[in-house]
Amino acid sequence: AQSVSQHNHHVILSEAASLELGCNYSYGGTVNLFWYVQYPGQHLQLLLKYFSGDPLVKGIKGFEAEFIKSKFSFNLRKPSVQWSDTAEYFCAVNEAGNQFYFGTGTSLTVIP
Amino acid sequence: DAGITQSPRHKVTETGTPVTLRCHQTENHRYMYWYRQDPGHGLRLIHYSYGVKDTDKGEVSDGYSVSRSKTEDFLLTLESATSSQTSVYFCAIRPRANTGELFFGEGSRLTVL
Repeated sequence: AQSVSQHNHHVILSEAASLELGCNYSYGGTVNLFWYVQYPGQHLQLLLKYFSGDPLVKGIKGFEAEFIKSKFSFNLRKPSVQWSDTAEYFCAVNEAGNQFYFGTGTSLTVIP
Repeated sequence: DAGITQSPRHKVTETGTPVTLRCHQTENHRYMYWYRQDPGHGLRLIHYSYGVKDTDKGEVSDGYSVSRSKTEDFLLTLESATSSQTSVYFCAIRPRANTGELFFGEGSRLTVL
């Protein structure tokens, strides 16, 4: 089975700081990659996704992620975080099939 | 709004009792999923379905069963609830197979005393 690692469990940043959250996966074949966000008390919402093409993917709310195949990574970035970005972030991987595998999540706290 | 409704949204029950959670979708999508979310574990797949009466196990299926007798409903049953099944349960749909993402419901918080 696929393994998805999110190395940062809890990140605390001040507003306007830059963000990078790491995500690595284990499967070496063709994968679809996703970042989801979960605001407090809410369900998961899609931030961005990669299926093919340009490895730099732009999502909603100024987030982007870069797929580096050689490193099995799909790191999430945002140049300047806001207090409203406080949430939990999940990386997910879908192989050529129907199962999705999620990382354990990274809790982001942005201090005003 | 992905047209997913989960019920009940909150439930407290006692060990040993049966519990059924319902996921209802309004758009007749083929693929439906049940996940549980626990601190430190992220989301883990319990079961999923790829059509009426077509289901398959996920990574944490022990103690759970599912049924899908209609396209719009995917039921998750805990035959005899245990405290380890206290969790938040999320239903998801996948409108487009192979290249599509998951859309999640609002979640059902289950507490087993």
